[in-house]
Amino acid sequence: AQSVTQPDIHITVSEGASLELRCNYSYGATPYLFWYVQSPGQGLQLLLKYFSGDTLVQGIKGFEAEFKRSQSSFNLRKPSVHWSDAAEYFCAVEMTGSARQLTFGSGTQLTVLP
Amino acid sequence: DGGITQSPKYLFRKEGQNVTLSCEQNLNHDAMYWYRQDPGQGLRLIYYSQIVNDFQKGDIAEGYSVSREKKESFPLTVTSAQKNPTAFYLCASRYRRVTGDGRLEAFFGQGTRLTVV
Repeated sequence: AQSVTQPDIHITVSEGASLELRCNYSYGATPYLFWYVQSPGQGLQLLLKYFSGDTLVQGIKGFEAEFKRSQSSFNLRKPSVHWSDAAEYFCAVEMTGSARQLTFGSGTQLTVLP
Repeated sequence: DGGITQSPKYLFRKEGQNVTLSCEQNLNHDAMYWYRQDPGQGLRLIYYSQIVNDFQKGDIAEGYSVSREKKESFPLTVTSAQKNPTAFYLCASRYRRVTGDGRLEAFFGQGTRLTVV
């Protein structure tokens, strides 16, 4: 079965600093990959997605992610964090061709210091 | 504007009661999903439906029931058999397959917070 690991439960960065959130997945083939963001008490918003092609994908709000097949990773990055980026971030994977479900990681809570 | 709407935002249930959470979408999506979110556990799939009048159990379906009588609607009933129903519930919808312009992502509602009193 596919699984998703977000090893960092909580990350704290200063405003203006760079950010990298880690995501590793376990699945035999290349899955569809997603990053979502959730503000407190709200639903999830898609930041970016990877299906195929260029392994560096750009998303909204200045975020990007790089798919590394050899490492089974899809890490999320932002060069300069803003206070409004404080939220919880979820990585999700789906087996290609399956409409059953997304499998979500347990999330990384981001705190931004002024 | 198209979107997915959950109601109510907050819901209180007495022990032994059934309650129904509403989820409506006007995105013309075929597939709809219900997730439960607990702190530190990410999202866990309760039920999903890929077409009208058909649905499948997810990973934590016990104590829950659903129906899919219309494409736009996928209500979730939390029954008295669910022993620990206090949680944040999220509904999502999406296309069943990647579209020609590369859309497969799920759209989420704003969630319903259910509390047992």
